[in-house]
Amino acid sequence: NAGVTQTPKFQVLKTGQSMTLQCAQDMNHEYMSWYRQDPGMGLRLIHYSVGAGITDQGEVPNGYNVSRSTTEDFPLRLLSAAPSQTSVYFCASSRQGISNQPQHFGDGTRLSIL
Amino acid sequence: QQPVQSPQAVILREGEDAVINCSSSKALYSVHWYRQKHGEAPVFLMILLKGGEQKGHDKISASFNEKKQQSSLYLTASQLSYSGTYFCGTGMEYGNKLVFGAGTILRVKS
Repeated sequence: NAGVTQTPKFQVLKTGQSMTLQCAQDMNHEYMSWYRQDPGMGLRLIHYSVGAGITDQGEVPNGYNVSRSTTEDFPLRLLSAAPSQTSVYFCASSRQGISNQPQHFGDGTRLSIL
Repeated sequence: QQPVQSPQAVILREGEDAVINCSSSKALYSVHWYRQKHGEAPVFLMILLKGGEQKGHDKISASFNEKKQQSSLYLTASQLSYSGTYFCGTGMEYGNKLVFGAGTILRVKS
């Protein structure tokens, strides 16, 4: 099992560009989440999904879109990149719940917006 | 509401013990603990659910006081491999979100 796979690992964008961060898991987990990690602030939830076709907003959803067409994939879209979105992005998955289940994290995508 | 972790950083020598605290202003259903090494993904250590239980994991254990909305992570006889940043994540009942603290940097020296 690969677990949670994120691509790309590194990306540099210019302000105003759009891009999609990919996240795939092969553990048949129902729940998936996107977090951003900034120095001194821990992990902040952007969006999450409780199953295919169902998504909801987290703490910091502005500027990001998600969709969940399959159990395996949960892409994160930056609509118009801004320097404030420079961060490390982690995708996580869990079996049946978020608050009561271990979160399995991917290796992260390091994103810089110039 | 982000839980508050203390201390922000701690330096230990091998074999020493450490306690990391996590405190919330809201009633909690669960507390998660993760360790993250530099440049890597957070790795799950343990979950504590409402009920005030204590869990153990080799020389790392944790307690959860739901009345005080606090959890503590205990690291005994620390090893070099314990170095990293420790995060607590708090969950509400019937919730699908975890809110993470800012982290505690732990450095173990030989």
